[in-house]
Amino acid sequence: QQPVQSPQAVILREGEDAVINCSSSKALYSVHWYRQKHGEAPVFLMILLKGGEQKGHEKISASFNEKKQQSSLYLTASQLSYSGTYFCGTVNNQGGKLIFGQGTELSVKP
Amino acid sequence: GAVVSQHPSRVICKSGTSVKIECRSLDFQATTMFWYRQFPKQSLMLMATSNEGSKATYEQGVEKDKFLINHASLTLSTLTVTSAHPEDSSFYICSARRSGLPNEQYFGPGTRLTVT
Repeated sequence: QQPVQSPQAVILREGEDAVINCSSSKALYSVHWYRQKHGEAPVFLMILLKGGEQKGHEKISASFNEKKQQSSLYLTASQLSYSGTYFCGTVNNQGGKLIFGQGTELSVKP
Repeated sequence: GAVVSQHPSRVICKSGTSVKIECRSLDFQATTMFWYRQFPKQSLMLMATSNEGSKATYEQGVEKDKFLINHASLTLSTLTVTSAHPEDSSFYICSARRSGLPNEQYFGPGTRLTVT
């Protein structure tokens, strides 16, 4: 079952913050976040496995709620290089398939 | 570590011909590999799961006779698009799951297929 991402697109000025959400109707085993630039393969950002987990560093971080049905990706003080499409991928059970959300197109302008 | 390569990176073929795409894990063993397809401005859609030494598992709506998958070794999976048509033109991306580390999945650089 495909996770639901929001928003579909966001435009930021350099230095602004953004939050991208990923939700599922059922509890998940894990959530994976990727960024994809046009014409390239997705690049792995991070994986969250535990309910209530928060991960990442000051600029790019993510959380996984206690029920393991919702994850958010936080982009702080955005840079031009953050532009791209962000996908969350979810796995329902250990060893299961990674299914991607629809993606969020992020554009950072000078 | 954890590098996945794909070959070719781009291919143009005529309608009705077959194209083979290779996916290799360069510095790790991958019991499981996955094949995704991505149309412009869309998400990555899982086509099939490839397990070394066994038959691939295809997602609903994916024709197994058209998209032949072979996973002959722990480092190589191939996808053959048979009797390609223009609607098969897409970006094909493989990923590999590291044996013993089922949570980690690494993507290849993708293959751009254009069928004329």
